[in-house]
Amino acid sequence: SQQGEEDPQALSIQEGENATMNCSYKTSINNLQWYRQNSGRGLVHLILIRSNEREKHSGRLRVTLDTSKKSSSLLITASRAADTASYFCATDVMEGAQKLVFGQGTRLTINP
Amino acid sequence: DAGITQSPRHKVTETGTPVTLRCHQTENHRYMYWYRQDPGHGLRLIHYSYGVKDTDKGEVSDGYSVSRSKTEDFLLTLESATSSQTSVYFCAISDSTSGPPYEQYFGPGTRLTVT
Repeated sequence: SQQGEEDPQALSIQEGENATMNCSYKTSINNLQWYRQNSGRGLVHLILIRSNEREKHSGRLRVTLDTSKKSSSLLITASRAADTASYFCATDVMEGAQKLVFGQGTRLTINP
Repeated sequence: DAGITQSPRHKVTETGTPVTLRCHQTENHRYMYWYRQDPGHGLRLIHYSYGVKDTDKGEVSDGYSVSRSKTEDFLLTLESATSSQTSVYFCAISDSTSGPPYEQYFGPGTRLTVT
């Protein structure tokens, strides 16, 4: 069963705008991670937020985590054409043995 | 794709034939994983390894077996390929030396088509 579900499934915005993607999950977690996948490539780790953290920043990325609602959001500010990719959340569940459970992803398109 | 290679990168095979995919890492990481990626399903874990000769099943392990005889190599075998195993397969690794949490590093993927 899918632990994480991203919303929306697809998002198309103009270059320079902000992009927000959401992830909901079902069970308690140790941490939540976001990955990016460019077309035809492997996933690349972007940012990790621990279960006791509420917000984290990395460059143009801002991640929030609300464990009471079992949800996270990824904000990309001042988007660029190079940000066009699929974005996945992944949860490190409490009982897992260093296993991640991935959501289905959000396909982000940045229009020039 | 830090120090992770997958071979072959593309393969077309017929139903019923055995297929072995190889993942090779040069990072000396303890954990290795095999995922499949299909439209509408995201990434799903097939098998993973937490050391040489130590493996365990993931979410979608039926029809797949794995072996890890060396730290650097993790093999995924489809004993008798079926059309439902047409997919893109990704290998990933993670390091345990600095303790959790463990981010994963992914290989470039293998596109497998079973006709």
